Formats: sequence, C-alpha cells, structure tokens
Amino acid sequence: DAGITQSPRHKVTETGTPVTLRCHQTENHRYMYWYRQDPGHGLRLIHYSYGVKDTDKGEVSDGYSVSRSKTEDFLLTLESATSSQTSVYFCAITPAAPGQPIGEQYFGPGTRLTVT
Amino acid sequence: AQSVTQLGSHVSVSEGALVLLRCNYSSSVPPYLFWYVQYPNQGLQLLLKYTTGATLVKGINGFEAEFKKSETSFHLTKPSAHMSDAAEYFCAVSEEQAGTALIFGKGTTLSVSS
Repeated sequence: DAGITQSPRHKVTETGTPVTLRCHQTENHRYMYWYRQDPGHGLRLIHYSYGVKDTDKGEVSDGYSVSRSKTEDFLLTLESATSSQTSVYFCAITPAAPGQPIGEQYFGPGTRLTVT
Repeated sequence: AQSVTQLGSHVSVSEGALVLLRCNYSSSVPPYLFWYVQYPNQGLQLLLKYTTGATLVKGINGFEAEFKKSETSFHLTKPSAHMSDAAEYFCAVSEEQAGTALIFGKGTTLSVSS
C-alpha cells in the first residue's frame, strides 16, 4: 500500500463547469503523476510533478492544469469540463529519488468522472 | 521514442490452461519493463518488473515474464489459469533515466472460463 488516496471517487458534472480532483500521498514521495484511462487507449499521462511547484506536461495535457503546493497533494483541474474528459483518472507515485531511473509506479484507486 | 504493443486486446482461456499475454516494446536504450493487473473498479497493481539482471522474473499470483532483448519482448505467462486471474493486464516500459513516466500498452483483457 503506497498510501495514495484520491477524492472524490466518483463525480458527475455538467459541461463547462470547473472540476478539481485531489491526490494525496502519505509517504513524502517526490514524483507524482496524473493519468487518464479510456477503453482502447490504456493509460495516458496528463501531467506529472517532480517536486513542490515543479510540474510538466504529459501526452494529453490540453484542457487540464495541475498544482502542487505541498509534497503530499497533487491537484488536477479541468478548467471547463467537456464530454471528452469523461474518463477514469488515476494518480500515481514513484519511489524513485531525483536522478535515479524511474522504476515502478504505484497507483491510487481512481476517480470516475462523468461530464454530461 | 518508447512504445509498447500488446498483441490481442482480449484473450480467453479455460481454467487450468496456460496463460500467455504478449508484450513488445521499442526503446533506444535498455528498458525497465513492468506488468500491471487491474481488477474491475480498482486501481493498477504491480505484478512484476524487470530492471537489470536475471531475464526471467517472477511476480505475484504465480505469474512470470521473460525479457528477450533480441525479440524486444516481455511476455507474461502463468502455467495454470484460475478464475480469479480474470482481469485487465497492462505492460509498461520506462527508460534507464530519471524524470519520466511509464509508457503503457493499451491493455489485454483476460477471461477465464470454467
């Protein structure tokens, strides 16, 4: 258990509304990630963070922003939700230290988001 | 650029039969390779990993995988399937460098019939 929680676990929202998903970890890991999972696409990286206030874009970052003001929390925001952002969102951490190869990642339980 | 290809989006086996899930990767440098399992409505759980050393790696629940550099493959096997193995399986790769995320295949759904 990597001590990762996600909130909310389920959310239904309307097109055009802002949505924030939260990922919380208890083990002080430096690297945190947000993925989305869609049928036929596997997991695709949205954004990742390599430290407080240090973030970078992933493969599918358009329409998403992130923030990390504390080591333990990594927030994903959909500024104006669209139906194409209906998905399951997973947060992940890696225990790798800076400068080390990225090894395994550990995942949270996921947030199922539906945009109507 | 790295990529992962999982051959077969669905694999069906009978209980007690061999499980073989195929994964091929592309990477310009020595890769780290992973298999994850996802049960319905749950997150991903690490099954096994290859970083360096022995090319045959054993994981949880009786699964194993072999890294074959010449074939750029990392196929997942289990000698005898159980009903509880029914799940979705993902192969993933990262390169031997810091600061990047895993690249995932699109997944293979394993069905096990009695």
